[in-house]
Amino acid sequence: EPEVTQTPSHQVTQMGQEVILRCVPISNHLYFYWYRQILGQKVEFLVSFYNNEISEKSEIFDDQFSVERPDGSNFTLKIRSTKLEDSAMYFCASSEDGQASQPQHFGDGTRLSIL
Amino acid sequence: AQTVTQSQPEMSVQEAETVTLSCTYDTSESDYYLFWYKQPPSRQMILVIRQEAYKQQNATENRFSVNFQKAAKSFSLKISDSQLGDAAMYFCAYNRGGSEKLVFGKGTKLTVNP
Repeated sequence: EPEVTQTPSHQVTQMGQEVILRCVPISNHLYFYWYRQILGQKVEFLVSFYNNEISEKSEIFDDQFSVERPDGSNFTLKIRSTKLEDSAMYFCASSEDGQASQPQHFGDGTRLSIL
Repeated sequence: AQTVTQSQPEMSVQEAETVTLSCTYDTSESDYYLFWYKQPPSRQMILVIRQEAYKQQNATENRFSVNFQKAAKSFSLKISDSQLGDAAMYFCAYNRGGSEKLVFGKGTKLTVNP
């Protein structure tokens, strides 16, 4: 069964540095998402992406964040100048058509640790 | 704002027994969808079951079933004949019609004892 894959599984970065998290969504899916989970807290929506544009974003997704689909397979989340509070598990997901009824398929996540 | 609450941080069940995980949600919308996701240790979240709010009939998927009480805004997951492979973190999630954003509960860690 096709899966969403994320790399790396664990990223350690110095505060203030830029970090790029990578995801390969399921190939025939059209909508892509990023979520994050700070330790001990809920999984929170960051952004959805469709047709090379941000479709919906949360208040968390401020100017330090950006998303991109640089080629036909990868979907990336860039954090420009990392802060200690960006330490979290980041999950990528994809869905066929973005309908609320459709399940989102998740990757294993990238654990981001900011030092 | 929509919220999802899972009041049981941890639950345990004996193998072959039945367990029910609780979930309540708060919304003023009439068009929405509810999901249970399972996340085994160090693995990805996978969909267990989903329920459309407009359907009165409770969803079932093999050993997994839900008790959807729309008026009470309750969406519990029942796992029958529990197996060791059911041990995981279970997340309840909500999605409003027309939105792409899943709203999650904090999760319930289920342990299955042999």
